[in-house]
Amino acid sequence: GENVEQHPSTLSVQEGDSAVIKCTYSDSASNYFPWYKQELGKGPQLIIDIRSNVGEKKDQRIAVTLNKTAKHFSLHITETQPEDSAVYFCAAEKAAGNKLTFGGGTRVLVKP
Amino acid sequence: DTEVTQTPKHLVMGMTNKKSLKCEQHMGHRAMYWYKQKAKKPPELMFVYSYEKLSINESVPSRFSPECPNSSLLNLHLHALQPEDSALYLCASSRFATNEKLFFGSGTQLSVL
Repeated sequence: GENVEQHPSTLSVQEGDSAVIKCTYSDSASNYFPWYKQELGKGPQLIIDIRSNVGEKKDQRIAVTLNKTAKHFSLHITETQPEDSAVYFCAAEKAAGNKLTFGGGTRVLVKP
Repeated sequence: DTEVTQTPKHLVMGMTNKKSLKCEQHMGHRAMYWYKQKAKKPPELMFVYSYEKLSINESVPSRFSPECPNSSLLNLHLHALQPEDSALYLCASSRFATNEKLFFGSGTQLSVL
């Protein structure tokens, strides 16, 4: 089955700096890669997603890049703010309707 | 309304109790999911309902029994649980059962004594 590795497990950044989280996946047939943000006491919230036919996608301060050849994808957060502090999960899906496989999560702390 | 509402928010139950978790969405989504999340771990899929029919059961023990009474509601019936079943139970929905753009509720924090 699919295996998704996520690094780092914790990330501390100064407010205003950038944060980068990296994920690798094992199954080359995977074609959908969402990122979820989970704040304390809440459920995960989708922040951005990308399909395998696209190399990069941006939404304001958030961007995701995908390298299909290397089987890895990354989340980039620019100009970090304290409200970006949360746990971030990457995920991969092989085909529509298959199970979504999550990475282990990255706890991000943005220091004011 | 873009919310998935879960009740109760917290639940403490003994190993001989029977309880139910409830989930509701009014976004017209045709797929609903139950996930289990242990502390500091990612969510793990338990069940998927597509058009009110159970489409995926991830080999979950029979002490967990899902039910989808209609397209807006999802229940998880609990019976004879074990202490290791203590976790955050998350409900999610999506337009179709494609795992795209899941909307999660805030979850029910379950403690089994």
